[in-house]
Amino acid sequence: DAKTTQPPSMDCAEGRAANLPCNHSTISGNEYVYWYRQIHSQGPQYIIHGLKNNETNEMASLIITEDRKSSTLILPHATLRDTAVYYCIVIGDYKLSFGAGTTVTVRA
Amino acid sequence: DTGVSQDPRHKITKRGQNVTFRCDPISEHNRLYWYRQTLGQGPEFLTYFQNEAQLEKSRLLSDRFSAERPKGSFSTLEIQRTEQGDSAMYLCASSDLITGSGNTIYFGEGSWLTVV
Repeated sequence: DAKTTQPPSMDCAEGRAANLPCNHSTISGNEYVYWYRQIHSQGPQYIIHGLKNNETNEMASLIITEDRKSSTLILPHATLRDTAVYYCIVIGDYKLSFGAGTTVTVRA
Repeated sequence: DTGVSQDPRHKITKRGQNVTFRCDPISEHNRLYWYRQTLGQGPEFLTYFQNEAQLEKSRLLSDRFSAERPKGSFSTLEIQRTEQGDSAMYLCASSDLITGSGNTIYFGEGSWLTVV
C-alpha cells in the first residue's frame, strides 16, 4: 500500500472549517484514500473514503486531486469534539496501515 | 457505537499470566482484524481473518500470541506468559467483503491491557 504524509499537528478555531492535507504520491490506480480519526483512548472512527471523485457525508468532505497524489479532508464547522488524531490511509485491498497522523486541536 | 464489541475493556494482569480478549464483529462481516496500539503510536496490524481462516499474521505476533475465529463469527486473542511490553490497547475491527467500493473497516473501542 502507498505511504502517506501528513503534517504532525494543526490548530483550528471552533466554528471554522478545518482543512487537513495528505500526500500520497505513490498511490496506484486501485487504491482508495481513507480517513479515520481517533479521539483519546477510543478506537479509530471511520470518517470518509474515496477513489477518484470528491466525496461528502455528514461528517466531512474529501477532496482528491485529479492526479490522485494528494487529498484534503474538510471538517466544515469544527467543534471542540473534533479534537483528535486524524489518519489518512491508502488501502488497496484489506489492510489499514496507520502512520503518525495529524493531531488536530480545535480551540474555542 | 460501531457495532464491534470487545471484552473486557480493561485488564490488569501480573507478568507471566495468560489473558484472553474477545471480539464480536458486526453481524455478517466476514473480515476480522486485530491491531495493537501503544501510547503515542498509531495502531499496528497484528492479524486478519476472512471467515474462519487466518490469512495473515504480522511479525509482531510472537509465539506467545494466538488468535482464533471459530465458525467465522467472534474471535479471541490470547496472550500467554504476558510481559510488561505487552501492555497496550488491543483493537478489533471488522469489514464486509464488497468489491468495487472500498473496504470500510469498523473498529471496536479496544481492550486495554496493563501487565504489572
